[in-house]
Amino acid sequence: DSGVTQTPKHLITATGQRVTLRCSPRSGDLSVYWYQQSLDQGLQFLIQYYNGEERAKGNILERFSAQQFPDLHSELNLSSLELGDSALYFCASSVNSLGNTEAFFGQGTRLTVV
Amino acid sequence: KNEVEQSPQNLTAQEGEFITINCSYSVGISALHWLQQHPGGGIVSLFMLSSGKKKHGRLIATINIQEKHSSLHITASHPRDSAVYICAVKGGSGGSNYKLTFGKGTLLTVNP
Repeated sequence: DSGVTQTPKHLITATGQRVTLRCSPRSGDLSVYWYQQSLDQGLQFLIQYYNGEERAKGNILERFSAQQFPDLHSELNLSSLELGDSALYFCASSVNSLGNTEAFFGQGTRLTVV
Repeated sequence: KNEVEQSPQNLTAQEGEFITINCSYSVGISALHWLQQHPGGGIVSLFMLSSGKKKHGRLIATINIQEKHSSLHITASHPRDSAVYICAVKGGSGGSNYKLTFGKGTLLTVNP
């Protein structure tokens, strides 16, 4: 158990809908990172938050947004869903924003858009 | 060309064999990660390296910064080692604090 909790584990929804994925980082970790893993693209970095503030953006679509709350949990919001958004979404946390400490990954949320 | 290349893409071994998975990268990095992902499962971070060598149980990871190359070795492989092994580098062209760039993974199957 990495200490990073993601909910829900599975999500099936229709095209055009909006979903929210939740991530609770390890106790004491201030940074949260979101990644998308699809069959064709592999793992890709989406976005990073540190202590409530956005720190870095990767290949995140405009239809997607995220935030980190004062209790440090994070939510990834996916809207106007398309079939191609079906993927595993992982979050990871680390203690700081410097990237010099290990990151711990959650179990992922498998999103299926039908 | 991908920034992170792994080889082989697929690897099948017999139980007990010594396994090596390679990772080459084309950009300057500050750290390299080896990750393990079981089918349908989550991701486990095995190692984070910035130089030299690390060992954990039957797993050994090495990195050569000058040659931009890392290897993951598994000694006395076991069927439970069957998983996808992913190399990821931190740094590179993105420049953000923790933008990991991932290889496409190596699918390891260890037969009993």
